[in-house]
Amino acid sequence: AQTVTQSQPEMSVQEAETVTLSCTYDTSESDYYLFWYKQPPSRQMILVIRQEAYKQQNATENRFSVNFQKAAKSFSLKISDSQLGDAAMYFCAYRSAKAGTASKLTFGTGTRLQVTL
Amino acid sequence: DAGVTQSPTHLIKTRGQHVTLRCSPISGHKSVSWYQQVLGQGPQFIFQYYEKEERGRGNFPDRFSARQFPNYSSELNVNALLLGDSALYLCASSARPWRTNSGNTIYFGEGSWLTVV
Repeated sequence: AQTVTQSQPEMSVQEAETVTLSCTYDTSESDYYLFWYKQPPSRQMILVIRQEAYKQQNATENRFSVNFQKAAKSFSLKISDSQLGDAAMYFCAYRSAKAGTASKLTFGTGTRLQVTL
Repeated sequence: DAGVTQSPTHLIKTRGQHVTLRCSPISGHKSVSWYQQVLGQGPQFIFQYYEKEERGRGNFPDRFSARQFPNYSSELNVNALLLGDSALYLCASSARPWRTNSGNTIYFGEGSWLTVV
């Protein structure tokens, strides 16, 4: 079974600064997807960024980028130019790409990000 | 287009009662999944349905059941409620349960808050 670990329960960043959230995972599969989801107080899970394991290039979405280290099974999220609206819980998630498997996401325990003025 | 819609948004039930939660996926999406999120934790996978058939089940007791209707909407049923069933129940939809070049993004609703007293 796959597991996802987020070792930082809480992080804080000043507005306009950069912060990195850590995530490690464990799997015996070679093909999979990794995601970062944001959950604001409204509780709706919002997809931030996605990485396919077969792609060596790190994914980037505007101010959000990842550092994907497949051999180390590490998938960190970097938020640049942090904004007050970035304050939320951030969850790292894993999904198998194996044919015939359910679209099951395995989540970490989350990192609460605070953004200060 | 509307996103994933869930109802009710909040409800309170007594131990031993039964609850039904409802979900309408994004238009055109045929796969629906259910997740349980206990306070302070990441979501846990309960079920996935595709084309009205169960395609995956998480580690939950038989008190939990679900079904998908011809219009692809879904219901999650929980019998004999326990205090530990108090959680946010999230519904997620995707186009298909298997891999696509796009990674088959999973979209979440805002959830149904269940409190068991």
